[in-house]
Amino acid sequence: GAVVSQHPSRVICKSGTSVKIECRSLDFQATTMFWYRQFPKQSLMLMATSNEGSKATYEQGVEKDKFLINHASLTLSTLTVTSAHPEDSSFYICSGAQGANYGYTFGSGTRLTVV
Amino acid sequence: GESVGLHLPTLSVQEGDNSIINCAYSNSASDYFIWYKQESGKGPQFIIDIRSNMDKRQGQRVTVLLNKTVKHLSLQIAATQPGDSAVYFCAVIPFPNSGYALNFGKGTSLLVTP
Repeated sequence: GAVVSQHPSRVICKSGTSVKIECRSLDFQATTMFWYRQFPKQSLMLMATSNEGSKATYEQGVEKDKFLINHASLTLSTLTVTSAHPEDSSFYICSGAQGANYGYTFGSGTRLTVV
Repeated sequence: GESVGLHLPTLSVQEGDNSIINCAYSNSASDYFIWYKQESGKGPQFIIDIRSNMDKRQGQRVTVLLNKTVKHLSLQIAATQPGDSAVYFCAVIPFPNSGYALNFGKGTSLLVTP
């Protein structure tokens, strides 16, 4: 089946630094990549939607200059958390979708801890 | 916007019993519904899905029921096993074939006791 490889699985960074999270669709072309954030014991909250070759669309309240999303190819999307702060500590999950196919394939998530 | 909620935040069942997890949605135009299982520290894992033109769909030990009249969705797990312990989310697409992101419910934590 479709697989999205997400790396790193966990990362600890110092406050003020930037962290990049990668999601690769291994056996399908992810024309759309969704990025979610999940705080402990909460549901997945959509941060942004990116279509290959286009600028990402951010949900209300999500700072586009802080959470930089790049979707330059059909198999790779990245989320960069810039100038990270402790409140950015969360579980970040990507999900790839292939065109009009309703299938949504999730990555394994990245646990970000900002100290 | 879409409102997706779950009736019970936690559910404890004994091993071997059947589990029922419920979900309500608000948008009657919703077309596609998915149940996901999420284990601690992992991404959501697809369990089963159903389109709005169906009211029941069965998989291996799981059944999803859709009641469009009352906008209610349920996941039934037969003969629940310890490995079923996880958080379960229902997810909804508000409109069909639109590229919309999945809208997730709050989640129900299922605990299977021996």
